[in-house]
Amino acid sequence: SAVISQKPSRDICQRGTSLTIQCQVDSQVTMMFWYRQQPGQSLTLIATANQGSEATYESGFVIDKFPISRPNLTFSTLTVSNMSPEDSSIYLCSVDPGGYNEQFFGPGTRLTVL
Amino acid sequence: KQEVTQIPAALSVPEGENLVLNCSFTDSAIYNLQWFRQDPGKGLTSLLLIQSSQREQTSGRLNASLDKSSGRSTLYIAASQPGDSATYLCANNAGNMLTFGGGTRLMVKP
Repeated sequence: SAVISQKPSRDICQRGTSLTIQCQVDSQVTMMFWYRQQPGQSLTLIATANQGSEATYESGFVIDKFPISRPNLTFSTLTVSNMSPEDSSIYLCSVDPGGYNEQFFGPGTRLTVL
Repeated sequence: KQEVTQIPAALSVPEGENLVLNCSFTDSAIYNLQWFRQDPGKGLTSLLLIQSSQREQTSGRLNASLDKSSGRSTLYIAASQPGDSATYLCANNAGNMLTFGGGTRLMVKP
């Protein structure tokens, strides 16, 4: 397994601003994943972040809106840019530390945009 | 495109009951099947992983099975407790891309 922390745990932001979410893992991992969970919905993959290369985004998500950094093998950030109330969600990062296709999730960041 | 359905969407049972949560897939190309628990406003806790070559996994009072031919998985919870109240999510893990079901919201009443 893996111990994953996220900062901030929650935030309330104004429309038009940006928020950067941090994800820290207690071990080195090749891939880190970012998910969004809109209110009352299940999780949707935003992008996969590999160290040393650009993130791979899923359909419906673009780099200008959700820029991702992956400076090393234990850390990643997701920025939610130019926020609108529709961006109010829980944002979660996950990793597969053992390479067994079993993912472990961080505690999530609950974002509210006014 | 793989779609994952979970039924029921919500379930309320008295403490002590055995219960079954269902998960079905539109595409029989199931890789690894993972069950999660999510408490309100929190992240996901991995409960069980069934590798593509396996048919079931057990952990304590939990047992998950996978029938790839029918595209179905079930999560069996024995002797349910109020602390089991949470949303349970299944996900098909295909090359590290998880496709989630909508979840079953479970309430176990004391």
